[in-house]
Amino acid sequence: DAKTTQPPSMDCAEGRAANLPCNHSTISGNEYVYWYRQIHSQGPQYIIHGLKNNETNEMASLIITEDRKSSTLILPHATLRDTAVYYCIVRVDYGGSQGNLIFGKGTKLSVKP
Amino acid sequence: DAGVIQSPRHEVTEMGQEVTLRCKPISGHNSLFWYRQTMMRGLELLIYFNNNVPIDDSGMPEDRFSAKMPNASFSTLKIQPSEPRDSAVYFCASSLRQGAKNGYTFGSGTRLTVV
Repeated sequence: DAKTTQPPSMDCAEGRAANLPCNHSTISGNEYVYWYRQIHSQGPQYIIHGLKNNETNEMASLIITEDRKSSTLILPHATLRDTAVYYCIVRVDYGGSQGNLIFGKGTKLSVKP
Repeated sequence: DAGVIQSPRHEVTEMGQEVTLRCKPISGHNSLFWYRQTMMRGLELLIYFNNNVPIDDSGMPEDRFSAKMPNASFSTLKIQPSEPRDSAVYFCASSLRQGAKNGYTFGSGTRLTVV
């Protein structure tokens, strides 16, 4: 699976949008981009995933550049409960079945009042 | 649904003792994963099962570690004998199948301390 690069930490003001970047310059055509987060003392939680189109769900939006070498996770109105470590993961698709989740170091997002 | 259930939440044991961690996956999920998390190494995949069969245990650190899944609703991770460097949080996760695109559901973890 391709390696991802994320900033180790970011701050965001409560109520503002949090934009978390991820570089995956060696991503191949059959690899999806996944985002998980881990709130302190809890297990990781699935947020969103995408292949090349932008995606949105009730938790976040995922913007993938046209060349797919980077992506941004957007939390539109961050709250204190969004303080967590956010992991960007690329995961190969074997034609309907995907490789395992391999976690990197992630970005520690701190939402401040 | 109660989600993935792990027990115990916390375990403190002495070096050399046997430790057994337990996991109940979400009903209907066919794949189960064991991860370990430490400050130094982050989240590491230890082993995973498809339909109760171990598929890849290359992440298991040593022969002291073993995992079983006797049926679709229960799995164990055993460490025998335990050592202080095994201290970590151990997570179990399940998914509809190994490659399910909607991702994995993780349990709350077992925090193991070996003294």
